[in-house]
Amino acid sequence: GENVEQHPSTLSVQEGDSAVIKCTYSDSASNYFPWYKQELGKRPQLIIDIRSNVGEKKDQRIAVTLNKTAKHFSLHITETQPEDSAVYFCAAGDSTLTFGKGTMLLVSP
Amino acid sequence: GAVVSQHPSRVICKSGTSVKIECRSLDFQATTMFWYRQFPKKSLMLMATSNEGSKATYEQGVEKDKFLINHASLTLSTLTVTSAHPEDSSFYICSASPRGTSVQETQYFGPGTRLLVL
Repeated sequence: GENVEQHPSTLSVQEGDSAVIKCTYSDSASNYFPWYKQELGKRPQLIIDIRSNVGEKKDQRIAVTLNKTAKHFSLHITETQPEDSAVYFCAAGDSTLTFGKGTMLLVSP
Repeated sequence: GAVVSQHPSRVICKSGTSVKIECRSLDFQATTMFWYRQFPKKSLMLMATSNEGSKATYEQGVEKDKFLINHASLTLSTLTVTSAHPEDSSFYICSASPRGTSVQETQYFGPGTRLLVL
């Protein structure tokens, strides 16, 4: 089955800095790679996703890149704000999703 | 739109009892719902795919007789933890999409149910 590794487990940045979270996956059949944000005590919410026929996708301050050859994909957040503080999960799959273990992002004012 | 609810939000039960958790799509029909388990400070682990009108598809390592899933209507899936034990204590969360049955459609998660088995 699919195995997703996510790094780092925690990430502390200053407001305005960029944050990068990286994931690797093992199953070459995976073709869908979403990212979720989960604030403390709340449900996960999709923030951006990318499919295998695309190498990069951007939505305002958030971007995701995918390297299918190397089987890794990354989340980039620019101009971070305190409200970006949350746990971020990557996932990979086709008909089902396997999640990474999450990255706790802390943005200090 | 696209609201998914869960009930109860939290439940405490004695070891050996069964607990039913409901997942409802409030403003759309969901022929497919996904059930996850989330351990503290850990990731979401897919337990099973709930299919309306047919049997659920369980992930490897998940006991079908332990975690009973019933998807009796287009807006309701239930997860019953049978003969619960302390190791079943966890956060259970469901997801569904108004756009179709594929997990590649934007998933909307329920608020989750925190189960504590004493």
